[in-house]
Amino acid sequence: GENVEQHPSTLSVQEGDSAVIKCTYSDSASNYFPWYKQELGKGPQLIIDIRSNVGEKKDQRIAVTLNKTAKHFSLHITETQPEDSAVYFCAASRGGTASKLTFGTGTRLQVTL
Amino acid sequence: GAVVSQHPSWVICKSGTSVKIECRSLDFQATTMFWYRQFPKQSLMLMATSNEGSKATYEQGVEKDKFLINHASLTLSTLTVTSAHPEDSSFYICSARPGIAGGPRETQYFGPGTRLLVL
Repeated sequence: GENVEQHPSTLSVQEGDSAVIKCTYSDSASNYFPWYKQELGKGPQLIIDIRSNVGEKKDQRIAVTLNKTAKHFSLHITETQPEDSAVYFCAASRGGTASKLTFGTGTRLQVTL
Repeated sequence: GAVVSQHPSWVICKSGTSVKIECRSLDFQATTMFWYRQFPKQSLMLMATSNEGSKATYEQGVEKDKFLINHASLTLSTLTVTSAHPEDSSFYICSARPGIAGGPRETQYFGPGTRLLVL
């Protein structure tokens, strides 16, 4: 089955700096890679996703890059703000109606003033 | 759009009782819903996949007689924890995936979670 590794487990940045979280996956058939943000006591919120036919996707301060050859994808947050502080999860799936998400272990991002 | 609700948001019950958690997709039809369990400071663990009108598919190690799942309509799935024990205390989260007409087929939208405490 799919295995997703995520690094780092914790990340502390100063407000305004950039944050990068990296994930690797094992199943070469995976073709859908979402990122979720989870605040304390809440459910995960989809913040961005990418499919294997695209190498990069950007939405305002958030971007995701995908390297299918190396089987890794990354989340980039620029101009971080205190409200970006949360746990971020990457995930991977094969896509399609029968697919399941395999989650990474999570990264706790702390944005300090 | 793509809002998923859960009810209740938290519940405390006595050991041996059963607890039902509802998951609703509010503005789309969900052909597939998923149930996850999350322990403190850990990732999400998939418990089961539920398709409307059919039996749920449970992940290895998840007792189907312990965690009963019903997906009776395209907007509602329920998880019943039967004969709950303290070790069942956890954060239970559902997600819903829209049908073909509702958007990208792979996208899962999560509910806010239900915190269960069994005394």
